Amino acid sequence: GAGVSQSPRYKVAKRGQDVALRCDPISGHVSLFWYQQALGQGPEFLTYFQNEAQLDKSGLPSDRFFAERPEGSVSTLKIQRTQQEDSAVYLCASSATGLTEAFFGQGTRLTVV
Amino acid sequence: GIQVEQSPPDLILQEGANSTLRCNFSDSVNNLQWFHQNPWGQLINLFYIPSGTKQNGRLSATTVATERYSLLYISSSQTTDSGVYFCAVERTGFQKLVFGTGTRLLVSP
Repeated sequence: GAGVSQSPRYKVAKRGQDVALRCDPISGHVSLFWYQQALGQGPEFLTYFQNEAQLDKSGLPSDRFFAERPEGSVSTLKIQRTQQEDSAVYLCASSATGLTEAFFGQGTRLTVV
Repeated sequence: GIQVEQSPPDLILQEGANSTLRCNFSDSVNNLQWFHQNPWGQLINLFYIPSGTKQNGRLSATTVATERYSLLYISSSQTTDSGVYFCAVERTGFQKLVFGTGTRLLVSP
């Protein structure tokens, strides 16, 4: 597609519920990144894929967070047993390679109630 | 890790005024990008500028990598320029962007 696409745009989850957030990167982009943006803060890195390989997951805040990109294109960020502190905007970005310009999707706003 | 500081944190301008936003970083980088986050939360790419100077309409940017800073110039500001401006750097050897603290800009008519 023309840009990075994320779905859903908004998600309300009850505490303890599992959620799955989807990212469609720009076609042909090798690198894919997930970021978390809390209210009033800048985005913070969660994890990085090069094709289907997850090369860096140092930013995932707990083992309740899991990301995958099984065929090297679409990626899913899964959060198990959501908690209130997980409420944030989750941003996906892609780039042609790891050292080129990154483009961001519109984000998924997750609210845990 | 690398520290990325932006100044000023907040800026209020009258429409038509010019401004300079600054980004300082604490380590060598091989990628630097400027973004505008609009009121709907979308991060819009302004410049990919690891070094040198670029211009795009009313906006221009300069990065002096050896001195570890970058500047974003906005001329003849418009109300649609309002939002948060982030610089983000990719530290040498690391495949991820680290975002700065942001500058919140409000342009009033």
